[in-house]
Amino acid sequence: EAQVTQNPRYLITVTGKKLTVTCSQNMNHEYMSWYRQDPGLGLRQIYYSMNVEVTDKGDVPEGYKVSRKEKRNFPLILESPSPNQTSLYFCASRPTGGSTGELFFGEGSRLTVL
Amino acid sequence: QKEVEQNSGPLSVPEGAIASLNCTYSDRGSQSFFWYRQYSGKSPELIMFIYSNGDKEDGRFTAQLNKASQYVSLLIRDSQPSDSATYLCAVNGRNTPLVFGKGTRLSVIA
Repeated sequence: EAQVTQNPRYLITVTGKKLTVTCSQNMNHEYMSWYRQDPGLGLRQIYYSMNVEVTDKGDVPEGYKVSRKEKRNFPLILESPSPNQTSLYFCASRPTGGSTGELFFGEGSRLTVL
Repeated sequence: QKEVEQNSGPLSVPEGAIASLNCTYSDRGSQSFFWYRQYSGKSPELIMFIYSNGDKEDGRFTAQLNKASQYVSLLIRDSQPSDSATYLCAVNGRNTPLVFGKGTRLSVIA
């Protein structure tokens, strides 16, 4: 089944404790992206990657890191989480070139930073 | 900063009525336009995309695009309670990331 898989789905952590949210897609998509969604603020892009070893900042990259060492994986790293990073996070992917542009989303990861 | 604006709602319509959702965008070079539906706590799912001026119909859904006015809309005919969700408008240009609006919450009253 074609899918984008995020882990963990739910996490409660404390300020300053490094964490990684993994994202993996099995559709051979070049493009991958991370979003956070907060009430009243909509979906905001954190980082995106057009292909392996190519990453770019989105609208709200502060406090986050990403890497794209393999095509299928695009982990989101919070080196020192803070309470303002409490949010619902979505990973998404799509093919480039000749596609409809449709983004395929993971199921989301709800993160709480105390 | 490219912007996509939507009325946050809630938009309440009776069951069986037409729901009309609107979206404006700031980047005149935008080329692709999408409507996603998102149920509470779930991930967005694509319901319509449109590239050309005019109307595009798919079942009960019609997307309308007017590039001169920088306006895209979604009509839902014969609205059902199961259509109650937040609808996200998203826009991108050639080789630029997708920009989402904040979404319009639709409530269909049985």
